[in-house]
Amino acid sequence: GESVGLHLPTLSVQEGDNSIINCAYSNSASDYFIWYKQESGKGPQFIIDIRSNMDKRQGQRVTVLLNKTVKHLSLQIAATQPGDSAVYFCAEFPHTGNKLTFGGGTRVLVKP
Amino acid sequence: EAGVAQSPRYKIIEKRQSVAFWCNPISGHATLYWYQQILGQGPKLLIQFQNNGVVDDSQLPKDRFSAERLKGVDSTLKIQPAKLEDSAVYLCASTNRADYGYTFGSGTRLTVV
Repeated sequence: GESVGLHLPTLSVQEGDNSIINCAYSNSASDYFIWYKQESGKGPQFIIDIRSNMDKRQGQRVTVLLNKTVKHLSLQIAATQPGDSAVYFCAEFPHTGNKLTFGGGTRVLVKP
Repeated sequence: EAGVAQSPRYKIIEKRQSVAFWCNPISGHATLYWYQQILGQGPKLLIQFQNNGVVDDSQLPKDRFSAERLKGVDSTLKIQPAKLEDSAVYLCASTNRADYGYTFGSGTRLTVV
């Protein structure tokens, strides 16, 4: 489901530490996944994507892992910085459609 | 490259009033989306346009919501009459590839009182 109500799961992380954000997706037919970052007052911003024929993809300071067996997606942020404080959403694209569906978000708070 | 432009940024209206939001997508993007994001939740798709045609409006509450993209560029989303539960951020997104990540605007925050 996509709703987590008013209280988003929150991950508090010390500046400089690594962050891991998890997401469970529901549609086994999804073949494309995206992580978005949303800062307060802004729209979601693309971070990194991965196709279902991959299990890992790396970007700058971010890594996405895909486990299709358990329908699980994770985003790893290395050396978390204050600017990484935001809400992070995973989103999925089904193979047979072109509608991006968002999961519930996770709020990341970086402590100085 | 200019981003997706939306206006207004904020709107406060009383229930049963009407409201309209405007979106100007990235130049050349044929596909345009309107999403509704209720506080604390992920965005939910309301309607998808391909050029000036509707591709998917299955989740649009058509008794009160309407949207158009007459010339295949700008789009407007209207709510009439508004209800308290329509309070949300309305996000517009565009893409030039249906199977790729979208670019989102900053949204319009609607408060219905």
